[in-house]
Amino acid sequence: DVKVTQSSRYLVKRTGEKVFLECVQDMDHENMFWYRQDPGLGLRLIYFSYDVKMKEKGDIPEGYSVSREKKERFSLILESASTNQTSMYLCASSLSFAGDYGYTFGSGTRLTVV
Amino acid sequence: QKEVEQNSGPLSVPEGAIASLNCTYSDRGSQSFFWYRQYSGKSPELIMFIYSNGDKEDGRFTAQLNKASQYVSLLIRDSQPSDSATYLCAVNRGGADGLTFGKGTHLIIQP
Repeated sequence: DVKVTQSSRYLVKRTGEKVFLECVQDMDHENMFWYRQDPGLGLRLIYFSYDVKMKEKGDIPEGYSVSREKKERFSLILESASTNQTSMYLCASSLSFAGDYGYTFGSGTRLTVV
Repeated sequence: QKEVEQNSGPLSVPEGAIASLNCTYSDRGSQSFFWYRQYSGKSPELIMFIYSNGDKEDGRFTAQLNKASQYVSLLIRDSQPSDSATYLCAVNRGGADGLTFGKGTHLIIQP
């Protein structure tokens, strides 16, 4: 089975800090995704990547950036954390870019910005 | 605008009964359809996918797809308390857009 590992389960950061969320997958998937999930708003796509050094904006990229220097690793960066970025962050990877086989999610990082 | 609609619930079903979860989607170009289960505080877990009109069965789960009506459903037979979770519907056009998720239906199986 594909394993998607997110480095932190819980994080508490201060407003204005630069925050790095790390995600690693072990099945050589080309495609990786970052979502945030909030009550009542569902899953919202922040960024995705279909190859090393490639990135595409999702629905809500403002305030975020990403890095994909290696195929297995996709990092989400909050340049200057704000309280409205308090959320559950979910990383996912996929064999097919079109998602024909669905996505596999990591366990999530619950980020609190104070 | 891609949209995937689900009733948020909660949907309460007695143990042993059939739970029926419904999802509609707006994009007729959608090609693949997925059901995820998400326990509280956990990440979504893929439980079913369907590509063709009709039914697809896997154990106690049956996915149903009707592309003409733009409707996909998930039936859970012999519901168990462990089935209590939020169920997310997701669709994909088969192109560069990735999956679009509904907001989920909260299912409660009452012992």
